[in-house]
Amino acid sequence: AAGVIQSPRHLIKEKRETATLKCYPIPRHDTVYWYQQGPGQDPQFLISFYEKMQSDKGSIPDRFSAQQFSDYHSELNMSSLELGDSALYFCASSETGGTSNQPQHFGDGTRLSIL
Amino acid sequence: KNEVEQSPQNLTAQEGEFITINCSYSVGISALHWLQQHPGGGIVSLFMLSSGKKKHGRLIATINIQEKHSSLHITASHPRDSAVYICAVIGTAGNKLTFGGGTRVLVKP
Repeated sequence: AAGVIQSPRHLIKEKRETATLKCYPIPRHDTVYWYQQGPGQDPQFLISFYEKMQSDKGSIPDRFSAQQFSDYHSELNMSSLELGDSALYFCASSETGGTSNQPQHFGDGTRLSIL
Repeated sequence: KNEVEQSPQNLTAQEGEFITINCSYSVGISALHWLQQHPGGGIVSLFMLSSGKKKHGRLIATINIQEKHSSLHITASHPRDSAVYICAVIGTAGNKLTFGGGTRVLVKP
């Protein structure tokens, strides 16, 4: 069965550079979630989209932006990168239909390292 | 105090032993996930439950909404069960997950 696809799997950037992470949800899933997991830390919710509209916002820095496109894939754009942005970034998708209580399916994550 | 607390933080078992991981939460929830994270980072959703009990193979998850507590049990543990197990809750507003600190399980052969 198709899973959530994230690209790239690994990304190395320098401070003050920009990065774009991509997430392709499971077919027919309408909701995408982004989570950030710093080294040795719990994942933290960043932002989510339902039907191409932002549905919830968490601890996402102003330097980051995200969007969901017409084919439901999502991109997380990160600018002015800082050392503290080094983390594993997970995308998850679900078929919510606007309701709650639908299981989230996770991608393998993008490991971002800032030098 | 974190909204989602797990215990123990670390657990070592011998192959074949019965393992229990506990999760307590302090907020109202609509559902609770148990997740498995292997070294290298990938997260797999094991269960989502909002009441009662679910079973999948050697894994059993239970939840008591009144007591705000859930448990994940692994029967006949195997070294391939070695991973971090994470409890995550969905609050009553929205679908975002709030994660517990994880339980690092090591099953020795």
